[in-house]
Amino acid sequence: DTAVSQTPKYLVTQMGNDKSIKCEQNLGHDTMYWYKQDSKKFLKIMFSYNNKELIINETVPNRFSPKSPDKAHLNLHINSLELGDSAVYFCASSLRGGPYYEQYFGPGTRLTVT
Amino acid sequence: SQQGEEDPQALSIQEGENATMNCSYKTSINNLQWYRQNSGRGLVHLILIRSNEREKHSGRLRVTLDTSKKSSSLLITASRAADTASYFCATDPRDGIYNQGGKLIFGQGTELSVKP
Repeated sequence: DTAVSQTPKYLVTQMGNDKSIKCEQNLGHDTMYWYKQDSKKFLKIMFSYNNKELIINETVPNRFSPKSPDKAHLNLHINSLELGDSAVYFCASSLRGGPYYEQYFGPGTRLTVT
Repeated sequence: SQQGEEDPQALSIQEGENATMNCSYKTSINNLQWYRQNSGRGLVHLILIRSNEREKHSGRLRVTLDTSKKSSSLLITASRAADTASYFCATDPRDGIYNQGGKLIFGQGTELSVKP
């Protein structure tokens, strides 16, 4: 059973389009995250949700809107896609949101904007 | 701002040799974690070391932490071809506010290649 799953795995789209990435975890964790990994493998946190409540929003353009319908799901919607949005997006979860908790990552969604 | 920096950026060794990767960071931390990323995959947690710990072991992994130098090292002993991956350190910053969000700041990783 996949612990943290993301769909789709690959997403190719044109500039200006709107797209969504879905994430689900079956670990019973309280906290979920979105990370962006660029072409140099630099991984940066974008958002963190704890029990459906937004906790971290790391100066991400407001074209990115996370939505957490329940604590097992955290989706990422991106409006008006730009070339610079091309990256691999990872969803992750942890048991709690405080320090000392390891994070479990999904397989990633490779977004290519042309 | 980027917190962790790994050194070296790339490391190539033969199977059976030991691999050592280093990580430096800038601010006080609650803990430091190491993750592995195989090509085209998500990250997998390896080990967590708290700020009051100096050394931790897990199987063939040994992690050290020196908070006075703001640095950590990951040693993989008797490496195998299957250890080929990128290795990232991630710090949980202690910025005076309880890190309720679970924020981790990642370095850019060390790419390890273990040749059979």
